[in-house]
Amino acid sequence: AQSVTQLDSHVSVSEGTPVLLRCNYSSSYSPSLFWYVQHPNKGLQLLLKYTSAATLVKGINGFEAEFKKSETSFHLTKPSAHMSDAAEYFCVVIGNQGGKLIFGQGTELSVKP
Amino acid sequence: KAGVTQTPRYLIKTRGQQVTLSCSPISGHRSVSWYQQTPGQGLQFLFEYFSETQRNKGNFPGRFSGRQFSNSRSEMNVSTLELGDSALYLCASSLVLAGKETQYFGPGTRLLVL
Repeated sequence: AQSVTQLDSHVSVSEGTPVLLRCNYSSSYSPSLFWYVQHPNKGLQLLLKYTSAATLVKGINGFEAEFKKSETSFHLTKPSAHMSDAAEYFCVVIGNQGGKLIFGQGTELSVKP
Repeated sequence: KAGVTQTPRYLIKTRGQQVTLSCSPISGHRSVSWYQQTPGQGLQFLFEYFSETQRNKGNFPGRFSGRQFSNSRSEMNVSTLELGDSALYLCASSLVLAGKETQYFGPGTRLLVL
């Protein structure tokens, strides 16, 4: 069965410093992985996705993630945090039946001025 | 292209009532999935519809049901509401789900059960 584990429930960084949000996955086959962001009182917005092409995936707003099969990880990074990045981030894998996204518990990112 | 739209955006109901939520997918998308988001349980899959047929179902009681119309619009119904049904209900659409497609989410319907 597919699952994802987000290793930090809350991450706090200062504006202009790097962001690292960690995600480990479990899958019986090559997974499709996503990162979504949810700003307060808004829906989920896709940041980026991995579908077995390049292992380094670039997304919107300067975010990127690297798929590492040996570590079963798909960590999200950004070189320099902006205040507008403060939100909740979800690591997601597609379930084995398709049509079903399996969400991690989320990581809340705070950005201090 | 317009995004996924959900109506209503906010809803207040009392225990025992029933509620119907609506989702209009992105034009051309034929798959619609529903999710429930609560602080305690996080985001959980409810069900997925494709071409008016339910293709997948999550672990929710039978009080939760849905349907999809020929224009791909979908409705979700919850009967005999309980306090624990208070949540943000998110709808997502995609073109064809083959394990690689991306789901695009609507803004959600926030349901409060009193």
